[in-house]
Amino acid sequence: QVQLHQWGAGLLKPSETLSLTCVIYNGSFNGYSWNWIRQPPGKGLEWIGSINGNGNTNYDPSLKSRVTISMDTSKNQFSLNLSSVTAADTAVYYCARRQYYDFWSSYYDDFWGQGTLVTVSS
Amino acid sequence: DIQMTQSPSSLSAFVGDRVTITCRASQAIGNYLNWYQQKPGRAPKLLIYGASSLHIGVPSRFRGSGSGTDFTLTVSSLQPEDFATYFCQQSYDSSYSLGQGTKLEIK
Repeated sequence: QVQLHQWGAGLLKPSETLSLTCVIYNGSFNGYSWNWIRQPPGKGLEWIGSINGNGNTNYDPSLKSRVTISMDTSKNQFSLNLSSVTAADTAVYYCARRQYYDFWSSYYDDFWGQGTLVTVSS
Repeated sequence: DIQMTQSPSSLSAFVGDRVTITCRASQAIGNYLNWYQQKPGRAPKLLIYGASSLHIGVPSRFRGSGSGTDFTLTVSSLQPEDFATYFCQQSYDSSYSLGQGTKLEIK
């Protein structure tokens, strides 16, 4: 079955850029949306953005000015860059596959990476 | 934005018990409601999508129901591995709104 494995730096200073990468095993980009989601300590999940098999991206409006999601189809990987981080960006970051159904009317996130704790501290 | 209200926020039960968690949406969302389970330090795990469809590999003791604004997740005959936090998430629109979670603990 599909497995996602993610990696990236876990400790950043304010104003630095967060960079995470997620590799897809036993799956391909086509037909799905590939997402980044984060969970601040003790809080709920926050959707950051996504990329689909055509390279089209969508971002949460509150983060849009700082987020870039890209893909490398040759390596079956997609990546997240979040610039100018602050302490408010401290969270566990997850990559996840999104499956749409009902003619793209709805969705669920069925496979997740293991999570990466990113701490922003001076 | 659609607000999701989940109750209770915590719940204690014995192994073998049947428990029910409820989730209410601030507006009708059809059956576009997902349930996830999360254990400490682990990624969320999809249990139910479309309000009542069991995700592949999820035991049949998990059952989801409801439509419109009111939904329930029922776990019959709790097993030790079921003690975790559960949360609902509406998939009616792209705002990714979630319930605040229900922490299920062993009594």
